[in-house]
Amino acid sequence: DAGITQSPRHKVTETGTPVTLRCHQTENHRYMYWYRQDPGHGLRLIHYSYGVKDTDKGEVSDGYSVSRSKTEDFLLTLESATSSQTSVYFCAISEDLTVVYFGEGSWLTVV
Amino acid sequence: KQEVTQIPAALSVPEGENLVLNCSFTDSAIYNLQWFRQDPGKGLTSLLLIQSSQREQTSGRLNASLDKSSGRSTLYIAASQPGDSATYLCAVSTGRRALTFGSGTRLQVQP
Repeated sequence: DAGITQSPRHKVTETGTPVTLRCHQTENHRYMYWYRQDPGHGLRLIHYSYGVKDTDKGEVSDGYSVSRSKTEDFLLTLESATSSQTSVYFCAISEDLTVVYFGEGSWLTVV
Repeated sequence: KQEVTQIPAALSVPEGENLVLNCSFTDSAIYNLQWFRQDPGKGLTSLLLIQSSQREQTSGRLNASLDKSSGRSTLYIAASQPGDSATYLCAVSTGRRALTFGSGTRLQVQP
């Protein structure tokens, strides 16, 4: 299994609060991604990174920001959480745009 | 915009059957296609990766084919087992903007 750790794994938060999810990898892979998975929508890309401090938006980036100050860490921040951001969030990594490895997911509930 | 469709959405078969899962995509300009497995409450595990120049890949009882010109891929599972029960996801890559996923086929293999 690829060395990907997501934290927290489960979180309940209130509407309007900021939330940060962390993805940590031990593989030294260049590319890192944040997806969300929702019933009826499948997996959708939020943001991705192609190097330290190099990030770009995915298809559902509104309300989210990311940072990558080190190769191994990719942070996803919900600026002001809303109920529509209740979801399962997956981090993924890839070295060379071929095989993509996924973390175990972070379950976020916004009440 | 790339769209990926998987048919059927759900499938239930008795143990021992050979089965085929289908995936179609709208834009044939892909770098590669991957099949993933997802168990309930878990992350995704990459099963097979087919580069755009390849026609098929095999791993054990799994065989995936790719017809890029027609925008189709199939995942063939031979001699299905209860342990194969999971959701199978197809995803296509069009570069560093990661993967576009289908909604998956939920497979149940009855003992």
